[in-house]
Parts: sequence; C-alpha cells; structure tokens
Amino acid sequence: AQSVAQPEDQVNVAEGNPLTVKCTYSVSGNPYLFWYVQYPNRGLQFLLKYITGDNLVKGSYGFEAEFNKSQTSFHLKKPSALVSDSALYFCAVRGISSNTGKLIFGQGTTLQVKP
Amino acid sequence: DTEVTQTPKHLVMGMTNKKSLKCEQHMGHRAMYWYKQKAKKPPELMFVYSYEKLSINESVPSRFSPECPNSSLLNLHLHALQPEDSALYLCASSQDYQGGWTDTQYFGPGTRLTVL
Repeated sequence: AQSVAQPEDQVNVAEGNPLTVKCTYSVSGNPYLFWYVQYPNRGLQFLLKYITGDNLVKGSYGFEAEFNKSQTSFHLKKPSALVSDSALYFCAVRGISSNTGKLIFGQGTTLQVKP
Repeated sequence: DTEVTQTPKHLVMGMTNKKSLKCEQHMGHRAMYWYKQKAKKPPELMFVYSYEKLSINESVPSRFSPECPNSSLLNLHLHALQPEDSALYLCASSQDYQGGWTDTQYFGPGTRLTVL
C-alpha cells in the first residue's frame, strides 16, 4: 500500500531562520512526490514536485525539497522563513493507476513563523 | 496560466435543496477531479474524469452527482445532503497523458459548503 507520513502536526520557526517540514513515503516503484501549501480558506497551491533527475528540487516562493531514496524522504526546506509562509503544508505521492494518478496526501503540517 | 476557477465561493443549503458546484479550467487539461476537505485535514478524492469520462468514483454517496459537460467544465450536483457533508469542495485539473501518468494537479480555491 502506498502512504505518506508527515510526522509533525506543527512546526514553529522564527522569521529569518531556516525551516524544514518533514515527509516520508512508502510506494512500490518510482515515487512521484509533490508539495502543496494551503492558506486559510483557500485551495491548495502547488509548490514543487520530484519526478526524476536531481535530488534537490527548487520550487515556488524560495522553497526547495530534497529527495532521499535511501531514507524514503522528501523534506521541504527554505533557507530563511517569512511570516507569510505560515500555512498548512501537504506532501503527496502519486498513486500507481492506469490513466489517472490518484494523489495520496499526508496529514498536513501547520507551519507557524513568528516575527 | 495555471488557474482553476470555482463558483460559488460559499454555499448554504438545506437538506432538501438541490444545488450545483461549478469548476472551470482553460489549460487544456483532460483530467479533472473533485475533492472534499474537512478543516485541517488532507483533501479526500471523490471523483476523477479523464477525457470527459468518469474514471474513478471513490464510493461517494449518490447524493453527489458529477458531470463533465466538456473538457473545460466540471459540475458537482448536490441533492438531499446531510450536515456532515459540510466541507470545502475542491476542484483540480491536470494533463492526462494516454501513457498512463498524469502531471501536476492544479487546484481551484474551493467552494465552502454548509448544509443546515
């Protein structure tokens, strides 16, 4: 069975400090991994994805994520957090399916950046 | 442009009402999705349309009825809903290659549904 785990319900960071939001996955075959961010009362916004290639993926708003196959992880990172980064973050893996790829989401991590 | 639009933004309905949610995209995507999301929880997949045909129904109750009139539009018809159906309903779209994989799903802002 395919699954995604986000071990932290909430991450607290001071503005200007680096941030990491953790994600581990379990899939058969090659993983296709995604990060989305959701601001209050809004839809999910795509941040970045890993399909193949470089293990370090750069995305929107200065975020990046590192794919680690041996640790089955895809942690989201940013060198310097902003208060405006405070939001709910979801990691997702695409399920193996014939013509439509069902996304398996983690439970989400709330990021709180304090001034 | 990676925009998916949804109307209405908010909807309040009684348990005997019939209403519809609408979703539109003009990115040429051929896969469209309906999700239900409760507060601070991940989205739950309800339906997937691929090339205007229903591909996945995640055992959703029949009081939810999807429709894909054309490649740009996706509707969700609602009838005889229950209070526990109150949630944020999200639409998404993605490219859908016949090779058997899909690209990034782009989400709309959602419709906040309250069932009284």
